[in-house]
Amino acid sequence: QSVLTQPPSASGTPGQRVTISCSGSSSNIGSNTVNWYQQLPGTAPKLLIYSNNQRPSGVPDRFSGSKSGTSASLAISGLQSEDEADYYCAAWDDSLNAVVFGGGTKLTVL
Amino acid sequence: QVQLQESGPGLVKPSQTLSLTCTVSGGSISSGGYYWSWIRQHPGKGLEWIGYIYYSGSTYYNPSLKSRVTISVDTSKNQFSLKLSSVTAADTAVYYCAAGARLAAAADYWGQGTLVTVSS
Repeated sequence: QSVLTQPPSASGTPGQRVTISCSGSSSNIGSNTVNWYQQLPGTAPKLLIYSNNQRPSGVPDRFSGSKSGTSASLAISGLQSEDEADYYCAAWDDSLNAVVFGGGTKLTVL
Repeated sequence: QVQLQESGPGLVKPSQTLSLTCTVSGGSISSGGYYWSWIRQHPGKGLEWIGYIYYSGSTYYNPSLKSRVTISVDTSKNQFSLKLSSVTAADTAVYYCAAGARLAAAADYWGQGTLVTVSS
């Protein structure tokens, strides 16, 4: 049982826009920033979004993040086949004094 | 560009201590401002944060693992390490070392990961 809640799966067709949600509480998302990772099959995770909506250098602007209250979302526009991966949200939790992850969302490009 | 590489035994016996090292290249571990982290992933499952050591030496651990975990830094070798004691089969996972300069929860750099199997 993960502290942050994500849907286990999402899907879309090439060119579509998809969103992945991440729900938490006042001790994590509600009081700290949210970060998103992409994990392609068989590889290490890659930081996709930090501080709710900032993209590290090299991350396409097709990826965007947002946060409202105790929830956050990752949006992928212009979906491409290479976006098929697992996506994880992460945040610091003030009550646990720990980094907490969502359970991950498997994105399928149909 | 910081690069990370995990090393250590791929097989550990139950009740023993799992020891992994992460070698840092492309930057100095003592240069400051980085969160040096360990994260694991059970087979077919999601990511689990183990803990981090900040450049100042302060450490934070996952409460569920805290009694068994130690993360330390060896500045002379530009490495940081993970020790997890009293392992069981439930500790079988891919272990990643990671680093980030911005936030503890935002790791920019990751090692490739190393599979550790706990079995007799």
